[in-house]
Amino acid sequence: QKEVEQNSGPLSVPEGAIASLNCTYSDRGSQSFFWYRQYSGKSPELIMSIYSNGDKEDGRFTAQLNKASQYVSLLIRDSQPSDSATYLCAVRDSSASKIIFGSGTRLSIRP
Amino acid sequence: GAVVSQHPSWVICKSGTSVKIECRSLDFQATTMFWYRQFPKQSLMLMATSNEGSKATYEQGVEKDKFLINHASLTLSTLTVTSAHPEDSSFYICSARALEDSSYNSPLHFGNGTRLTVT
Repeated sequence: QKEVEQNSGPLSVPEGAIASLNCTYSDRGSQSFFWYRQYSGKSPELIMSIYSNGDKEDGRFTAQLNKASQYVSLLIRDSQPSDSATYLCAVRDSSASKIIFGSGTRLSIRP
Repeated sequence: GAVVSQHPSWVICKSGTSVKIECRSLDFQATTMFWYRQFPKQSLMLMATSNEGSKATYEQGVEKDKFLINHASLTLSTLTVTSAHPEDSSFYICSARALEDSSYNSPLHFGNGTRLTVT
């Protein structure tokens, strides 16, 4: 069973601080990794995608990938109250046929 | 670009009836659409993969006779929940991958979801 694991949280971070979200996956052959943000009652929206080891930055967001450790993370700098949401880690499996989601981490930014 | 429209956004039906949910790719063609289900405070669980012109591939534990999927064109896939029961109440979300964006690294584009409540 291919799995994607996340800490469910809630993760509480003060406004302006860095929020760090982590994810591990079991399929060593996975090549594509995605972070989605989901507000309550809404569909997920893509935040970042990453395919190579190392860091990828986009505005206040930085995705980090370490394939050897089967670990992917998302950093949110200068956290804002509007960042409060559930963040879903998603991994395309090695067969490339489907994307598997983690259970999500609930992030709360406190003013 | 890459807009996926899902209809209806919410539906309430009586136990035993059937409900059809539509998923359309508005500005692109999608050979593959995915149907997910999400229960409260849980993650998205893939139900089935829908390929245009062929039978859907269902995930283990998903009843293909209960959740009928039809992908008749490159822009439309439908999910019909047959003989719905209260335990089928959930948030159903479709997603699509663009025909010209079928690389290994392409993300999914999600519809807005359908909240199904079975009374």
